[in-house]
Amino acid sequence: GAVVSQHPSWVICKSGTSVKIECRSLDFQATTMFWYRQFPKQSLMLMATSNEGSKATYEQGVEKDKFLINHASLTLSTLTVTSAHPEDSSFYICSVAGLTDTQYFGPGTRLTVL
Amino acid sequence: SQQGEEDPQALSIQEGENATMNCSYKTSINNLQWYRQNSGRGLVHLILIRSNEREKHSGRLRVTLDTSKKSSSLLITASRAADTASYFCATDRDPTSGSRLTFGEGTQLTVNP
Repeated sequence: GAVVSQHPSWVICKSGTSVKIECRSLDFQATTMFWYRQFPKQSLMLMATSNEGSKATYEQGVEKDKFLINHASLTLSTLTVTSAHPEDSSFYICSVAGLTDTQYFGPGTRLTVL
Repeated sequence: SQQGEEDPQALSIQEGENATMNCSYKTSINNLQWYRQNSGRGLVHLILIRSNEREKHSGRLRVTLDTSKKSSSLLITASRAADTASYFCATDRDPTSGSRLTFGEGTQLTVNP
């Protein structure tokens, strides 16, 4: 399967600042990537579908102006949490859509907003 | 309640025992997948079973799918301490695309040495 990396693996920021999270597909052309959010001891919630070269599709209830997604190449998608607040603290995970309906996940980024 | 509910929420067994986790869903699906997540890590794909399949095996894993009951089960045989993790089922939201997934609540499996 595809090898997916995320950077940073963890980040602590002050309330009101913006944080960028990178998701890289190291050995697979990622036409479609997904961004999820996971709160402690909960399941993954899909935030948005990121397609290379086009605008992301956001799930209902996810603010597109707050969670900016850019997927400018087949190997990189970025999620920027703008004006972060403590309630945005979460585990953010990206995945790459594989060829057979499976997804390959990155290791996740732990965001803590103070 | 949402698509992809699992039970039990938590399961604790001894090494060598079998572990069975169940997943139920509400709408029609194209396929159902099981993923594993170690604490604080990303997910690892375990197995995919399509709607026209009833059972699938992969090593110590056995997955069944009953589309009439909208349910699936994951059996891990001869469990090991290294199997300790959270296990999630996931269904495709749109049977025509099969790409966007809805995850269940997960089962936290603890295998005691």
